[in-house]
Amino acid sequence: SAVISQKPSRDICQRGTSLTIQCQVDSQVTMMFWYRQQPGQSLTLIATANQGSEATYESGFVIDKFPISRPNLTFSTLTVSNMSPEDSSIYLCSVDKADYGYTFGSGTRLTVV
Amino acid sequence: AQKVTQAQTEISVVEKEDVTLDCVYETRDTTYYLFWYKQPPSGELVFLIRRNSFDEQNEISGRYSWNFQKSTSSFNFTITASQVVDSAVYFCALSDSGGYNKLIFGAGTRLAVHP
Repeated sequence: SAVISQKPSRDICQRGTSLTIQCQVDSQVTMMFWYRQQPGQSLTLIATANQGSEATYESGFVIDKFPISRPNLTFSTLTVSNMSPEDSSIYLCSVDKADYGYTFGSGTRLTVV
Repeated sequence: AQKVTQAQTEISVVEKEDVTLDCVYETRDTTYYLFWYKQPPSGELVFLIRRNSFDEQNEISGRYSWNFQKSTSSFNFTITASQVVDSAVYFCALSDSGGYNKLIFGAGTRLAVHP
């Protein structure tokens, strides 16, 4: 299965600032997925990032708020922009590696104060 | 539209009890995948199983077993002889075969196993 290195693991940020989360995969993957898990809630897909093209965002998520980069087949970043306390969540990246299922990064616990 | 329902919000059992976590899904696709993930208090998501829509065989892995029934659109998960280390939130998920294969998660079931 794929190994994903996600960082930072946690951060406390001031409202109005931005945070960029990085995910590095140990093998090439076509698509990477970014999820948000609000406190006590399930996971919701933010967007799907395909190398060489713009990310595809789910309903309720916009590029200005969550810009994503996918410069190559092993790396992606998600930025949470102009943060408010409502953005406090766990953010996870994920890849699909065939029979191993979807592998997830260890997550970034974001607290906005 | 695809949907996953985990009606059990929280389950509390005593160690060594068997426990079944329910998962009901909705999809119009004929080809799809179902998953179970475990999220312990540390927060990471641990992959447990992936099952495709054409394979209705039940699966057993140690103390874990899964019962997939297309007739009732259910994919239930049973832990036999539960242990304290099984305490976690368990998510059932469905893959969307609509091009990007995103995962659609249920709300999760929080399992507490008490000594």
